[in-house]
Amino acid sequence: AQTVTQSQPEMSVQEAETVTLSCTYDTSESDYYLFWYKQPPSRQMILVIRQEAYKQQNATENRFSVNFQKAAKSFSLKISDSQLGDAAMYFCAYRFLGANAGGTSYGKLTFGQGTILTVHP
Amino acid sequence: ETGVTQTPRHLVMGMTNKKSLKCEQHLGHNAMYWYKQSAKKPLELMFVYSLEERVENNSVPSRFSPECPNSSHLFLHLHTLQPEDSALYLCASSQDGFLTYNEQFFGPGTRLTVL
Repeated sequence: AQTVTQSQPEMSVQEAETVTLSCTYDTSESDYYLFWYKQPPSRQMILVIRQEAYKQQNATENRFSVNFQKAAKSFSLKISDSQLGDAAMYFCAYRFLGANAGGTSYGKLTFGQGTILTVHP
Repeated sequence: ETGVTQTPRHLVMGMTNKKSLKCEQHLGHNAMYWYKQSAKKPLELMFVYSLEERVENNSVPSRFSPECPNSSHLFLHLHTLQPEDSALYLCASSQDGFLTYNEQFFGPGTRLTVL
């Protein structure tokens, strides 16, 4: 079974600084997606960034980028120029790319425990 | 309404009550999910419906009963809950399909408190 581990329950960063959130995962599969989701306080969870395992190039979305190390099964999120609006719970998630048990194809996600990010002005 | 909506946003119920959580997606998706989010724990997938058929039930107690009358609506019927069932219940939807991205879109959740 796949597992996702976020070893940092809480992190903090000064506004305009850079912070990196860690995520490791365990899988025997070779084709999968990895995601970072953001859950602001009392607001909906939204997708921040995704990475396809077959791509060597690290994904980037504006101030958000990842460091994907497939051999090490590591998938960290870097937030540059942190803003107050970045304060949230961040979840790392894994999805196997193939068929699920029973031949279904829905996007089953395995989540980490989450990291609470505080941004100080 | 756009995206995924959930009602009610907050619910307080006694252990003998019966209540229902509602989720509606306006994205034309064909898969819907219920998750339980408890403090300091990963999101737990409870149920998955794909094309209105339940395709996954992760050993969820029978006091939780899902219903998917059509591809846009998902319910979670609750009865004789326990205090440890207090949590944030999240609904999500995605477009089912092999070898596709299948991004899940989440609703705002229902904060459930069982007294």
